[in-house]
Amino acid sequence: DVKVTQSSRYLVKRTGEKVFLECVQDMDHENMFWYRQDPGLGLRLIYFSYDVKMKEKGDIPEGYSVSREKKERFSLILESASTNQTSMYLCASSPRVFRGNSNQPQHFGDGTRLSIL
Amino acid sequence: EDKVVQSPLSLVVHEGDTVTLNCSYEVTNFRSLLWYKQEKKAPTFLFMLTSSGIEKKSGRLSSILDKKELFSILNITATQTGDSAVYLCAVEGVGGATNKLIFGTGTLLAVQP
Repeated sequence: DVKVTQSSRYLVKRTGEKVFLECVQDMDHENMFWYRQDPGLGLRLIYFSYDVKMKEKGDIPEGYSVSREKKERFSLILESASTNQTSMYLCASSPRVFRGNSNQPQHFGDGTRLSIL
Repeated sequence: EDKVVQSPLSLVVHEGDTVTLNCSYEVTNFRSLLWYKQEKKAPTFLFMLTSSGIEKKSGRLSSILDKKELFSILNITATQTGDSAVYLCAVEGVGGATNKLIFGTGTLLAVQP
């Protein structure tokens, strides 16, 4: 079974702090993703990575950065936390897609509920 | 702009009822449509659909895709309280080094005893 582990279930930080959210997967997946989930808006993609040290912006990257120094670990960084970044953050991973290979779904971690005060 | 729309937004039924959840989409370069179930924690994978008209089934859950009309349905028969959850529909588009998912806002299903 794929295991995606997020370091914290709940986190409370203050405005202006630098916040790190960590995600680790144990299936040697090339692709990793960070989403945030808000009521009425669904899951929105913040950043994703398709290989070590590679990253691409998703739909809402502003105010966030990411780091992928090792294949199994993908970190989301809030450089200077603001109250509008209070949300549920979900990490996911999936294998790389090659032409002709069978599709594989993204597998999700349990999420980190982040509150910025 | 790519989008995925789910309906209804929420639904309350009694145990034993049958429910149908809807998902329509407009996505460039469609590759697949996925259904997830989300209770308190991680969304868990239910189905991946790539071909029109082929029903996927798992116990009391089933799903089918219509690529001509751009929608999918998720059916749950003989519902149980354990089916209470948010059901997420996501569409995968082809592009770049990896394929991204576009999610709908979900359908909140509440099954009452």
